[in-house]
Amino acid sequence: AQSVTQLGSHVSVSEGALVLLRCNYSSSVPPYLFWYVQYPNQGLQLLLKYTTGATLVKGINGFEAEFKKSETSFHLTKPSAHMSDAAEYFCAVSKNDMRFGAGTRLTVKP
Amino acid sequence: KAGVTQTPRYLIKTRGQQVTLSCSPISGHRSVSWYQQTPGQGLQFLFEYFSETQRNKGNFPGRFSGRQFSNSRSEMNVSTLELGDSALYLCASSLGTAIMNTEAFFGQGTRLTVV
Repeated sequence: AQSVTQLGSHVSVSEGALVLLRCNYSSSVPPYLFWYVQYPNQGLQLLLKYTTGATLVKGINGFEAEFKKSETSFHLTKPSAHMSDAAEYFCAVSKNDMRFGAGTRLTVKP
Repeated sequence: KAGVTQTPRYLIKTRGQQVTLSCSPISGHRSVSWYQQTPGQGLQFLFEYFSETQRNKGNFPGRFSGRQFSNSRSEMNVSTLELGDSALYLCASSLGTAIMNTEAFFGQGTRLTVV
């Protein structure tokens, strides 16, 4: 069975600082990997996804993530945080169904 | 094109009652998945329908059921409501099933409160 672990339920960064949200997965075979963002009282919006091919994936709003099979990780990064990035972020894996991590709430301080 | 539409947005029900939630997927999408989101349990997969057939089911009791119509619209039903069923219920649509790993588009959710 596949599962997703997001390290850190809350991450706080200053505006302009690097954003790093961690995601590790467990799966018997490499799954497909996703990052979603959720703003208050909204559904989830896809930031980026990895299926096959290049392991560094670029998404919307300046986010990117790197699939590292040897580390079973798919960490999300953004070089410079913006106030509008404050939201909850979910890592997800998909094989036979989609499973989500517990989420990481990102706070951006001015 | 229109996104995923969930109705109603907010709902208050009494313990023991039943409730039906509706989800209209993006035009052309044949797969609809349902998720329950709570502060304690996070996002949990309920079930997925593709072309009117349930393809996958999460670990929820039989009180939770769903169906999909020929136009791909889906409904989710919860019978004998319990206080713990209070949650945000999210619906997602995609062109294919999770097996095909196509992008899922989420609705804004239905906030169910059981009192």
